[in-house]
Amino acid sequence: QKEVEQNSGPLSVPEGAIASLNCTYSDRVSQSFFWYRQYSGKSPELIMSIYSNGDKEDGRFTAQLNKASQYVSLLIRDSQPSDSATYLCAVTASFGNEKLTFGTGTRLTIIP
Amino acid sequence: GAVVSQHPSWVICKSGTSVKIECRSLDFQATTMFWYRQFPKQSLMLMATSNEGSKATYEQGVEKDKFLINHASLTLSTLTVTSAHPEDSSFYICSAAGQGFTEAFFGQGTRLTVV
Repeated sequence: QKEVEQNSGPLSVPEGAIASLNCTYSDRVSQSFFWYRQYSGKSPELIMSIYSNGDKEDGRFTAQLNKASQYVSLLIRDSQPSDSATYLCAVTASFGNEKLTFGTGTRLTIIP
Repeated sequence: GAVVSQHPSWVICKSGTSVKIECRSLDFQATTMFWYRQFPKQSLMLMATSNEGSKATYEQGVEKDKFLINHASLTLSTLTVTSAHPEDSSFYICSAAGQGFTEAFFGQGTRLTVV
């Protein structure tokens, strides 16, 4: 059974601070890793994708991947109230035309 | 990014009736489409994967005769919930990917309520 695990939270972070979200996965052949943001009642929105070990930065977001440890994380710098949402980690064995396995999501609340 | 449109965004139906949900790729050819279901406070669970012109591949535990998926063209896939019951009430989300895509794109989702 392929699994993706996340701490369900809730995670509360003061506005302006760094929010750190973590995810582990069980399938060693996983190749593609995604972080989605989902607001209540809405569809997931892609925040970051990462395919190789190391860090990938995009604006206030940094994804980190460590395939040896089967671990992927998302850092959100200068957290804003609009970042309050559920963050879903997803992995796939190949690329975007393969099915995603989602984690249960971490609910993040940014406190003004 | 590519645009995927899902319709309707919400629907209420009576128990025992059937409901059809459409998922369209507006600016690319979707060789693969995925259908997910999400219950409140839970994550997305994949129901089935469909490739254009082929029968859908259903995940374990998903009734293929209840959830009919058609992917007859490269821009349209439909999910029909047949003989819907209140326990089928959920948020249904499609995503689509084209050949060579590194990610799939999600539709807006459909909130189904069966009364």
